[in-house]
Amino acid sequence: GAVVSQHPSWVICKSGTSVKIECRSLDFQATTMFWYRQFPKQSLMLMATSNEGSKATYEQGVEKDKFLINHASLTLSTLTVTSAHPEDSSFYICSARVSVGLRKTQYFGPGTRLLVL
Amino acid sequence: GIQVEQSPPDLILQEGANSTLRCNFSDSVNNLQWFHQNPWGQLINLFYIPSGTKQNGRLSATTVATERYSLLYISSSQTTDSGVYFCGLEGNFGNEKLTFGTGTRLTIIP
Repeated sequence: GAVVSQHPSWVICKSGTSVKIECRSLDFQATTMFWYRQFPKQSLMLMATSNEGSKATYEQGVEKDKFLINHASLTLSTLTVTSAHPEDSSFYICSARVSVGLRKTQYFGPGTRLLVL
Repeated sequence: GIQVEQSPPDLILQEGANSTLRCNFSDSVNNLQWFHQNPWGQLINLFYIPSGTKQNGRLSATTVATERYSLLYISSSQTTDSGVYFCGLEGNFGNEKLTFGTGTRLTIIP
């Protein structure tokens, strides 16, 4: 099956620093990847859609200058949380879409837990 | 956009019991997936099921698109079934993004 990896799985950083999270599709190419944020005991909130070779599309209320997304290849998308603050602490999850004809299936990475002190 | 509701929000069962989880949606869909989020946060694909019925071992799912609901059945529950179950779907006139329900938190007691 389709495997998506994320790195790092945990990160603790000081307020004001930037953190980069990588999302890789390991055994398939993904023209479209998605970045989600999840707070404890809540559902997944879509932050942005990442398209290979073009600018990401951000959801309403998500600061694009705060959460920089780069999808430089068909197997890698990165999310950089710039000048992180404690309120950015959260569980960040990426997914990659596999399209076979009309069937579009999303596969998720294991997530990255970010704690900003 | 499309609205998604899941029920029940919480379910506590003894090992060996059966359960039915429900996902209601407000519009016709062209993509519906069920996921299991394990206690470590990993979302695992269970079914791609915009319509019809599928079975995979102790799990099965049915989507009745005309009545705008999907059901996930878990039989002979095991403690490893614990976690949160989400349905994610994309409407027919959607923008190719999945909208997720609020999830059902399932706890299986030994």
